Amino acid sequence: QVQLQESGPGLVKPSQTLSLTCTISGGSFTVDDYFWSWIRQSPGKGLEWIGYMYYSGSTYYNPSLKGRVTLSADTSENQFSLSLTSVTAADTAVYYCARGLVVAGMEVGFDPWGPGILVTVSS
Amino acid sequence: ETVMTQSPATLSVSPGQRATLSCRASRNINTNLAWYQQKPGQAPRLLLYGASTRATGIPARFSGRGSGTEFTLTISGLQSEDFAVYFCQQYNNWPLFTFGPGTTVDIK
Repeated sequence: QVQLQESGPGLVKPSQTLSLTCTISGGSFTVDDYFWSWIRQSPGKGLEWIGYMYYSGSTYYNPSLKGRVTLSADTSENQFSLSLTSVTAADTAVYYCARGLVVAGMEVGFDPWGPGILVTVSS
Repeated sequence: ETVMTQSPATLSVSPGQRATLSCRASRNINTNLAWYQQKPGQAPRLLLYGASTRATGIPARFSGRGSGTEFTLTISGLQSEDFAVYFCQQYNNWPLFTFGPGTTVDIK
């Protein structure tokens, strides 16, 4: 069964770029039946969808993040990545990667999720 | 943005009893609603989508209903592993995937 694992620094300084990678095991990134997403969770904002992408390269981002987000993939490593620029304390959260479920042509939700990684923005 | 609200914030239920959780959308989402369960220190797990369709491996004691703006998740015969936080999430309106704040189901 598919498993996902987030990796990256747990501490990022304000104004810098947060970069995380999600490694997929037990399945392949290069399938058209699913999409791949990042979601974060903080006590103040709850669960917040960040963005998602398809193997084809199509990407979709939450407009609330105002162009600070980029998703990319390394198919040779079966990984996809998140880059979030100009971070502030408000970006402190647990970041999850997840596989997205498509049903009858609609993106419906996320299953499974990685265990999550806590990223703190602080100097 | 479609704002999701959930009630109650906390629900205290005895094992073996039924729990009914509510979720409301700020505008019509048809039946494009998912539910998740999250246990402490774990990631959320998808329970239902399409308001009432169980995800793979989800027991039949989890059921959902609703359409438009009002939805419910019912857990029949609560088991010890069901005490957790439950989130609803819409996928009808852009930006997609807005979540509710969650309902905590704890032991009475």
